[in-house]
Amino acid sequence: EAQVTQNPRYLITVTGKKLTVTCSQNMNHEYMSWYRQDPGLGLRQIYYSMNVEVTDKGDVPEGYKVSRKEKRNFPLILESPSPNQTSLYFCASSSNYRDLYEQYFGPGTRLTVT
Amino acid sequence: QKEVEQDPGPLSVPEGAIVSLNCTYSNSAFQYFMWYRQYSRKGPELLMYTYSSGNKEDGRFTAQVDKSSKYISLFIRDSQPSDSATYLCAMSASFIGGANNLFFGTGTRLTVIP
Repeated sequence: EAQVTQNPRYLITVTGKKLTVTCSQNMNHEYMSWYRQDPGLGLRQIYYSMNVEVTDKGDVPEGYKVSRKEKRNFPLILESPSPNQTSLYFCASSSNYRDLYEQYFGPGTRLTVT
Repeated sequence: QKEVEQDPGPLSVPEGAIVSLNCTYSNSAFQYFMWYRQYSRKGPELLMYTYSSGNKEDGRFTAQVDKSSKYISLFIRDSQPSDSATYLCAMSASFIGGANNLFFGTGTRLTVIP
């Protein structure tokens, strides 16, 4: 089954404790991205990757890091989480940037930073 | 002014009703228009995709774009309880790679009452 998986689905952590949210897709997609979804603000892109070893900032990259060492994986790293990073996070992938309209989204990771 | 405006609802309708969901936008360069459906605790999934103006029909769903008014709509005929979800509009000027190509509305929560 074609899918994007994220782990963990739920995470409660404390300010400053480094964490990683994993994302994996099994569709051999070139393009992957991370979004955060906040009430009243909609989906906002954090980082994206056009292909392996090619990553760049999205709309709201501050406080986040990513890496793309393999085509299928695109982890999101919060080096020192703060309460304003409490949000619902989605990983997404598409075959390439030209097919961005047809992104496949993961199930989401709800992060709470206290 | 936000690029994309969407009434958050919530919207409650009886089963069988015709539902109209709408978004307005400010950027006249937008030419790709999408509707995503997001069930509770799930990621968004693409429902309809339209290029430029006009109508597109898929089963009970019709997407309509009025570029002169900068207004897009999604109509759901014979609504079913399974249509209960949050509906997100999204739009883009072009998929040329790079950041922030896709602008999302904040979503409208729909409940169809049996």
